[in-house]
Amino acid sequence: QVQLVESGGGVVQPGRSLRLSCAASGFTFSSYGMHWVRQAPGKGLEWVAVIWYDGSNKYYADSVKGRFTISRDNSKNTLYLQMNSLRAEDTAVYYCARDPRFRVATAYAFDIWGQGTMVTVSS
Amino acid sequence: QSALTQPASVSGSPGQSITISCTGTSSDVGSYNLVSWYQQHPGKAPKLMIYEVSKRPSGVSNRFSGSKSGNTASLTISGLQAEDEADYYCCSYAGSSTHVVFGGGTKLTVL
Repeated sequence: QVQLVESGGGVVQPGRSLRLSCAASGFTFSSYGMHWVRQAPGKGLEWVAVIWYDGSNKYYADSVKGRFTISRDNSKNTLYLQMNSLRAEDTAVYYCARDPRFRVATAYAFDIWGQGTMVTVSS
Repeated sequence: QSALTQPASVSGSPGQSITISCTGTSSDVGSYNLVSWYQQHPGKAPKLMIYEVSKRPSGVSNRFSGSKSGNTASLTISGLQAEDEADYYCCSYAGSSTHVVFGGGTKLTVL
């Protein structure tokens, strides 16, 4: 079945780095744009980044621009989020999510979600 | 403070209909037909209910419908059921600078 599974979360000190992964299965990963969306404890949803299906375009929220990098390896059906210079306010559950559009510009919607991975930034 | 404004809570009785509003600006909701809605139960990942203003993904009940007028989008749930009790978030594309904005979420209580 269609599935996204995140990994790589954990507790990290402020200023350090962490890399999240999202393994996709059950669909043609290389044909869909992919997003990262986060949710701080008890708070609402916040979009983090998007990467086009072919990796040709990448965009970020202002809150993470210059610190986070989204990438993908279509040969491994895997999405990544490299997070550098982490701050306390980056503490959240991070979800990877698929864009519903097939092989075209993204719809900026999220039709398949992973279960999320928790990132805690604390000294 | 969220970019899109939603009521903090709404409630309704089983069988009734409710509407959740999502107010943005001419830079987001008003300019693009890229509004989506998500349902989130406690401790679970969000679920897409509506995308591109009014499109319903396969498997989502036709009791859920979406619309937009000017800078305000709306999600209507008809024939309320107990399992509809959840948090609901709206989302909109907001142009090439901001990209995506979410609403603060609305807690739906089924009485």
